Amino acid sequence: DGGITQSPKYLFRKEGQNVTLSCEQNLNHDAMYWYRQDPGQGLRLIYYSQIVNDFQKGDIAEGYSVSREKKESFPLTVTSAQKNPTAFYLCASSIWHGETQYFGPGTRLLVL
Amino acid sequence: AQSVTQPDIHITVSEGASLELRCNYSYGATPYLFWYVQSPGQGLQLLLKYFSGDTLVQGIKGFEAEFKRSQSSFNLRKPSVHWSDAAEYFCAGETGANNLFFGTGTRLTVIP
Repeated sequence: DGGITQSPKYLFRKEGQNVTLSCEQNLNHDAMYWYRQDPGQGLRLIYYSQIVNDFQKGDIAEGYSVSREKKESFPLTVTSAQKNPTAFYLCASSIWHGETQYFGPGTRLLVL
Repeated sequence: AQSVTQPDIHITVSEGASLELRCNYSYGATPYLFWYVQSPGQGLQLLLKYFSGDTLVQGIKGFEAEFKRSQSSFNLRKPSVHWSDAAEYFCAGETGANNLFFGTGTRLTVIP
């Protein structure tokens, strides 16, 4: 059963802590993306990767980091530098950059 | 600047009534255009997309959208709404190798 999985569904972060959100896809897609969703603001692009071992900043990359060591995986780390991390985070992939994007179920990050 | 605008934040329709959700785009060239639907706490599901060719696009769940270059619009329509269509709807656009730009969404409420 092909698709995109994100874990965990809910994640809690303490002050000063880094947390990592997982995104895995078995669609054999080259490109992967991370978006942040806040109420009333739609989706904003954090980072994207067109191919393994390569990634670029999106519109709101400050306070976030990513890696792309494997084609299937694109984890997002929310660092302590991100002062307002509470949001819904969505991962997406496409067969290549510029093609139709398909989304995972999302991770909701809350700050304790 | 590239942008997509959804002028309606919230729309309420009666079950069985017709639906039209508005989307306007601002791009230098004709963009690729998409409609996604999001149920509460879930990821985004692709309803339909327009790349080129026939300006009337059919999608899943009985939805269709019409691309009108003269009005810079890509409105989503459904002839008869079902209670299960209640969700948030996002219009998005991109121009080839550039990234996807999302509108701020329209929340649809369906009343019996």
